[in-house]
Amino acid sequence: DAKTTQPNSMESNEEEPVHLPCNHSTISGTDYIHWYRQLPSQGPEYVIHGLTSNVNNRMASLAIAEDRKSSTLILHRATLRDAAVYYCIPGNYGGSQGNLIFGKGTKLSVKP
Amino acid sequence: NAGVTQTPKFQVLKTGQSMTLQCAQDMNHEYMSWYRQDPGMGLRLIHYSVGAGITDQGEVPNGYNVSRSTTEDFPLRLLSAAPSQTSVYFCASSLLGQNWNTEAFFGQGTRLTVV
Repeated sequence: DAKTTQPNSMESNEEEPVHLPCNHSTISGTDYIHWYRQLPSQGPEYVIHGLTSNVNNRMASLAIAEDRKSSTLILHRATLRDAAVYYCIPGNYGGSQGNLIFGKGTKLSVKP
Repeated sequence: NAGVTQTPKFQVLKTGQSMTLQCAQDMNHEYMSWYRQDPGMGLRLIHYSVGAGITDQGEVPNGYNVSRSTTEDFPLRLLSAAPSQTSVYFCASSLLGQNWNTEAFFGQGTRLTVV
C-alpha cells in the first residue's frame, strides 16, 4: 500500500493561496492521487484527483511531481469555508478493487 | 438527486442492543462502503461492496454485518452494540473506475453513542 506523509496542520490567511503538500514515495505507477476534505461535522468531500499531469477544477489545482512521489494541492484564494482537514490518498491499494484509505490529513485553519 | 443518504443522523444505544444504520444512494453506483471515524482520527474502512450480492471486509469489520441486496442500499448492522462502537459512521458510494479514476460521494454521517 502506498504510504502518505502530510503536515498535521497548516495556517493560511483569507484570500491568500495555500499549498498543501503530500509525499507518497511508494505510489505505484497506476495509482491515481486523490484529495478529499472534511469540513467540521460533515462527511468527506471530493476535491480533485490526477495521475501524472497537473489538474485544475473549480475548487483547486493539483500539481504532481514528475516522479509522482509527491503532490501539492493548491487553493488559489483561501476562504473561511476552506477550513477543513485535507486528505491526500493514493488510489488502488492492497490488491482489492480499491478503497480510499484515509490517513490523518492536514488540518487547515484560515484566518480572516 | 439526493446523493448518499444516511439515517438516522443520531442514535443512542444501550450496550448489547442491535440496530441497523441505513445508507441509500440514487446515483446507480456499483461501489459502496462504510467507514467509522473516532474523535481526532481519520476514517477507517469497515465493509465495502462492489455490487449487489457482493460484500467484503475492510480494516475494522468485527462487530458489524453488511448485505447488499440492491444497488441502491447498503445497510450496516451492529449485532450487539459495545461502547467501543461509539463513533461517527459514514457511508460512501462511487462508480467502479479503473485504478480509482473516479469520485466518491459521502453521506453526512450517523453519530452513534453506545452507553
